This record gives sequence, C-alpha cells and structure tokens, in this order.
Amino acid sequence: SQTIHQWPATLVQPVGSPLSLECTVEGTSNPNLYWYRQAAGRGLQLLFYSVGIGQISSEVPQNLSASRPQDRQFILSSKKLLLSDSGFYLCAWRTPGQGSANYGYTFGSGTRLTVV
Amino acid sequence: GENVEQHPSTLSVQEGDSAVIKCTYSDSASNYFPWYKQELGKGPQLIIDIRSNVGEKKDQRIAVTLNKTAKHFSLHITETQPEDSAVYFCAASRAKAAGNKLTFGGGTRVLVKP
Repeated sequence: SQTIHQWPATLVQPVGSPLSLECTVEGTSNPNLYWYRQAAGRGLQLLFYSVGIGQISSEVPQNLSASRPQDRQFILSSKKLLLSDSGFYLCAWRTPGQGSANYGYTFGSGTRLTVV
Repeated sequence: GENVEQHPSTLSVQEGDSAVIKCTYSDSASNYFPWYKQELGKGPQLIIDIRSNVGEKKDQRIAVTLNKTAKHFSLHITETQPEDSAVYFCAASRAKAAGNKLTFGGGTRVLVKP
C-alpha cells in the first residue's frame, strides 16, 4: 500500500534562517507531488507541483523553492525565512496520467512552521 | 483555469441534524470531484468522491450529488455527530490537467453542537 511521510511535524525557526521540509512517498512510482500551504483558518494554497524528477512548477512567486531529487522525494526549501512564511505545510501525491481521473490526492500529516 | 466556489464558509448544526455543503465549478471538462475532511492539526483526508458519469454516491451517513448541467455538486451529512466537526473541502479536476492538479474550494468549517 502507498504511504506518504512528511517531517518534521512542527518547526519553530527564526526570521532569516533556512528551511528544509521533506516529503517521501512509498509504494508507488512516478507520483505527481504537491506542496500546499495553509494559513490559520484558511484554505489550501498550492505552492509547487512536480510530475517527475527535476521537474518543478511554481504556482505563486514567493520566498520558497522546491526540488525533487528522487522519484518519490519532494523537498521544500527557503534560504531566508520571513514571518509571512509561517503556516501549515502539506505535501500530497497523486497517481499520474489516466489514474488521476479516478483518484484524488493523498495528503501527508503536515508541518506546522512558526517563524519568530 | 478551473475555479471552485464553496458555500457556506461556516456551518453550525445540532447533533443529529443534517449538514449540506455546496460547490460550483467553472470548467465543464471537469470529471472528478472529491471531498476532503480536515481535522484540527491534521492533513485533509479523502472521505468520498464522485465521477462525472454518476449523479449520486452514498457511503453510510455521507452522500455526494453532482449536477453536471448546472456545474455544481454537494456533500450531505446525515445524523451528524460531534466527530463530524471539521473543515471540509470540495475539489474538482479534469483529465490531462496540467500537473494533474485538483482545484479546491475555500473550505467549510462545520461545527456539530451536542
């Protein structure tokens, strides 16, 4: 069965510090991968998605970047965090291609980031 | 691109009553409509989905209806219980969408009062 791991669960970082959040998927190949951010009490904002190794698409310009060094690994990074980067970060995967017509996302458990 | 609107943004119901959340979508090519439940501090979880070739789907106390002509779909929760309190998101996608992305509604915070 497929599983998605996301860590850390919580993180408190000072302004100006770097960030690295990691997401890995098990039990599937060539998944579509996604990073979302959720501000407190708000909706889901898509940050990045990837359809393959090294292929990253950015949805909104911001202080963050993403990388996919391996098929089932998705990393969200920042060189210098801002206060506005605080939020709940979610990784998700989806079956690629035709399978996407029948299956939705599976989300990770999320990382609560507080920038102080 | 696709746009999904969700109403209401908050919903308070008495335990045992029904709750209904409605979503509209803009892309007539959308053919897959999942619903997610997000409990506090957790990632959203898929609770039910419907495809465009089906008008209604039920799973115990949860049902989803789809009206392709009007481009709207709804989530119905019957006999609500306190554990149904959560944020619910609807979403839509179409085949061959860039990145196979889902487009989410803004979410509905449901509070079931005992």
